[in-house]
Amino acid sequence: DGGITQSPKYLFRKEGQNVTLSCEQNLNHDAMYWYRQDPGQGLRLIYYSQIVNDFQKGDIAEGYSVSREKKESFPLTVTSAQKNPTAFYLCASSIRQYSYNEQFFGPGTRLTVL
Amino acid sequence: AQTVTQSQPEMSVQEAETVTLSCTYDTSESDYYLFWYKQPPSRQMILVIRQEAYKQQNATENRFSVNFQKAAKSFSLKISDSQLGDAAMYFCAYKGTSYDKVIFGPGTSLSVIP
Repeated sequence: DGGITQSPKYLFRKEGQNVTLSCEQNLNHDAMYWYRQDPGQGLRLIYYSQIVNDFQKGDIAEGYSVSREKKESFPLTVTSAQKNPTAFYLCASSIRQYSYNEQFFGPGTRLTVL
Repeated sequence: AQTVTQSQPEMSVQEAETVTLSCTYDTSESDYYLFWYKQPPSRQMILVIRQEAYKQQNATENRFSVNFQKAAKSFSLKISDSQLGDAAMYFCAYKGTSYDKVIFGPGTSLSVIP
């Protein structure tokens, strides 16, 4: 079955540590996205990528980094510079950005800083 | 900049009844796309319905329909014959054709009362 997988489902981090969230898709989609979800704030865009080896900052990129070395993979690193990283993180993909095609979402990763 | 507003943080509906969720948006573009996404307690986001701004006809998907008022920049979602499985967070989203990001509203939490 085609879809988006995110791992791990739950992640605990100590302050000062970097952690990497995995996102893999086998939908052959060009574009991939990372969102952060906090209660009452909807989804906020962290980073997005239209093609391999290219990505752009979203609205809240500070303290995060990404890479896009393969079409199917778009990992997100939460660095120690991110002051309040506890949140639910969603990865999404779409066929092309400049069309009406919707985004498909992964199941999410819940990150908690201890 | 484009914005999406959902003025109802929480709503409830009796099973089998009809409920309407409100969404307004702000844009200077004439062509764009609008979406309603559902996020159930599992937190897996799925597309409910989409609307192309150049189409005057309101989109319909089974029990879900929209009331798209372009001049008023309003995009409400009507759920008919509400079912227990409709209980979820609903997000309204905007995507411009010349804009490579999707803007999400803050969401409306819908409860279905048996």
